[in-house]
Amino acid sequence: ELKVEQNPLFLSMQEGKNYTIYCNYSTTSDRLYWYRQDPGKSLESLFVLLSNGAVKQEGRLMASLDTKARLSTLHITAAVHDLSATYFCAVGEGSGAGSYQLTFGKGTKLSVIP
Amino acid sequence: DTAVSQTPKYLVTQMGNDKSIKCEQNLGHDTMYWYKQDSKKFLKIMFSYNNKELIINETVPNRFSPKSPDKAHLNLHINSLELGDSAVYFCASRMGLAGVSEQFFGPGTRLTVL
Repeated sequence: ELKVEQNPLFLSMQEGKNYTIYCNYSTTSDRLYWYRQDPGKSLESLFVLLSNGAVKQEGRLMASLDTKARLSTLHITAAVHDLSATYFCAVGEGSGAGSYQLTFGKGTKLSVIP
Repeated sequence: DTAVSQTPKYLVTQMGNDKSIKCEQNLGHDTMYWYKQDSKKFLKIMFSYNNKELIINETVPNRFSPKSPDKAHLNLHINSLELGDSAVYFCASRMGLAGVSEQFFGPGTRLTVL
C-alpha cells in the first residue's frame, strides 16, 4: 500500500523567512502533485512534477522531485501572509484512465505571522 | 464558468436518512472521482469512474452508491446516514486519456449528520 508522509504537519513561520515542506512516499512513482487548500475551500493545483529532477517555480513557491529518494519538497521563499493555507502533496499511481488515482499526504498547515 | 460544480454546498441531516450529492464538470473530462475529507483534513479516494464505468471502489460501505448518468456527471447517494459519514466530500475530474493529467476539484459538500 502506497504511503505518503508530509512533514511538518503544522508550520508557523514569520513573514520574510524561508522554509521547506517535505513529502516522502513509499513507491517508485514519478508523478507528484502539490495542492493548496484555503479554509473551507476546494483544492487548488499548484504544481505537477512528472520526472526525476523536475523543478517548478511559481512566485514564492518552488517544488522539486527526486524519484530516487522518493522525496518531493515545497520550498517557500520570503513568506507572506497570503501563503497561509494547508498544502497537500499527492502521488499518482495506476496505468488505466480510470484506475489512475492520487494518494494524498496528511497536509501541512502553514501559518505565516507578521 | 465553474469547471467542477457540486450541489449542495452544505447538507445537514439526521442519522438514518438518505441523501444525494451531485457533481457536474464542464471540462470535457472522461474520468471523475469522489473523495472524502475527514475532520483532520485527510483526503481519501472513494470511487472513480471512466466514461460512466466504475473503475475504483475503495473499501467504501455499500451504503454509498455512486451513479454516473453520463461522462459529465457523477452523483453520490448515501443510504442510512451515520455520524461517521460527517465530512467534506469532493468531486474531481481529469482527462484520463491524457495519461497523468492533473485532477480538478469541485468546491466540496460539507455533510453533517446529527
